Amino acid sequence: AQSVTQPDIHITVSEGASLELRCNYSYGATPYLFWYVQSPGQGLQLLLKYFSGDTLVQGIKGFEAEFKRSQSSFNLRKPSVHWSDAAEYFCAVGASDTGRRALTFGSGTRLQVQP
Amino acid sequence: SQTIHQWPATLVQPVGSPLSLECTVEGTSNPNLYWYRQAAGRGLQLLFYSVGIGQISSEVPQNLSASRPQDRQFILSSKKLLLSDSGFYLCAWKAPSSYNSPLHFGNGTRLTVT
Repeated sequence: AQSVTQPDIHITVSEGASLELRCNYSYGATPYLFWYVQSPGQGLQLLLKYFSGDTLVQGIKGFEAEFKRSQSSFNLRKPSVHWSDAAEYFCAVGASDTGRRALTFGSGTRLQVQP
Repeated sequence: SQTIHQWPATLVQPVGSPLSLECTVEGTSNPNLYWYRQAAGRGLQLLFYSVGIGQISSEVPQNLSASRPQDRQFILSSKKLLLSDSGFYLCAWKAPSSYNSPLHFGNGTRLTVT
């Protein structure tokens, strides 16, 4: 079964600083990887996704993520954080060999942005 | 375009009372439908999923049940709520045709059992 680990529960960065949120997955074959963002009291919004091909994927709101098979990682990055980026971020993995076709989520990383 | 609606947005219920949360999807046919629960400070736990009318799969044994009476309607229920049922419940849909399509979430229901 697949699993996702987000090692950082909480991260604080200054506005304008760069950001990297870590995600490690466990899955035997090529995974389908996603990053979602959740504002307080809201549902999850898809930021970006990786299926195959170019290992650097671009998403909405200036985010990007890089798939590294050798490290089983899919870290999310943003060169300059804005105060509106404060939210909780979830990494998720999907698999092609399970009938339920659901995503497995990490426990999330809460991002605080300091002015 | 496709939209997903969940209601109510918030709910406070006493222990032992019944529960019914509803989710509907518009703009797509035969979607895969999902119920997730999010406990405070934790990730999302898959509760149920459905690939068609009347077809429900349960991921974890619990006090809850799900039903899909219509193609684009997904209901989460309980006959008697427990304190541990408190949490944030999220409904999601996904295109059925491919494994790699993302989930699209509703805005969630905050359930507090008192």
